[in-house]
Amino acid sequence: AQKVTQAQTEISVVEKEDVTLDCVYETRDTTYYLFWYKQPPSGELVFLIRRNSFDEQNEISGRYSWNFQKSTSSFNFTITASQVVDSAVYFCALRGSQGNLIFGKGTKLSVKP
Amino acid sequence: GVTQSPTHLIKTRGQQVTLRCSSQSGHNTVSWYQQALGQGPQFIFQYYREEENGRGNFPPRFSGLQFPNDSSELNVNALELDDSALYLCASSLKGFYTDTQYFGPGTRLTVL
Repeated sequence: AQKVTQAQTEISVVEKEDVTLDCVYETRDTTYYLFWYKQPPSGELVFLIRRNSFDEQNEISGRYSWNFQKSTSSFNFTITASQVVDSAVYFCALRGSQGNLIFGKGTKLSVKP
Repeated sequence: GVTQSPTHLIKTRGQQVTLRCSSQSGHNTVSWYQQALGQGPQFIFQYYREEENGRGNFPPRFSGLQFPNDSSELNVNALELDDSALYLCASSLKGFYTDTQYFGPGTRLTVL
């Protein structure tokens, strides 16, 4: 079965703190694709990153970084020096066998000034 | 980008509803998701070149159409209270490496 678990339901930090959002996935596929999306209060899901299972390099984009570890089936997301605009619900997702996305339940991040 | 209409909709139980989506230009695949409050989006179905290409665990009263002009519809018959949710449309270009899904702003449906 394919599954995504985001154990952290809500996280609250003060601006400029670093924060890591955890994602653990389950799949029997040898090739798979993982994603992170951001959902601000407006509701639209904003694509952040796609990671292919055969590419184990970690990625950094500005204040965002992603740590992909196949050994622990994790794909964690770190925001460095968080800002109020980072407040949103963040979803980790796994590409399913039908080309659909299988989402975790999301982590609500609140960044306070 | 991906657009959806209407933004909000209120219906009563038993009615039928049609939600619309306009895909990103050049994309050949549209997927629909239902997101209940406080939950992650759940896959309803996917259309590729106007044919249903995959379906999640939703009953047949959820149906869809994809048109050649980058637009698509989600139809829900015999609405139930539990159908109240945010409905998200996503478009993508099916192909190895390139099927990242881009989402619209959603339609919030309330069933009374």
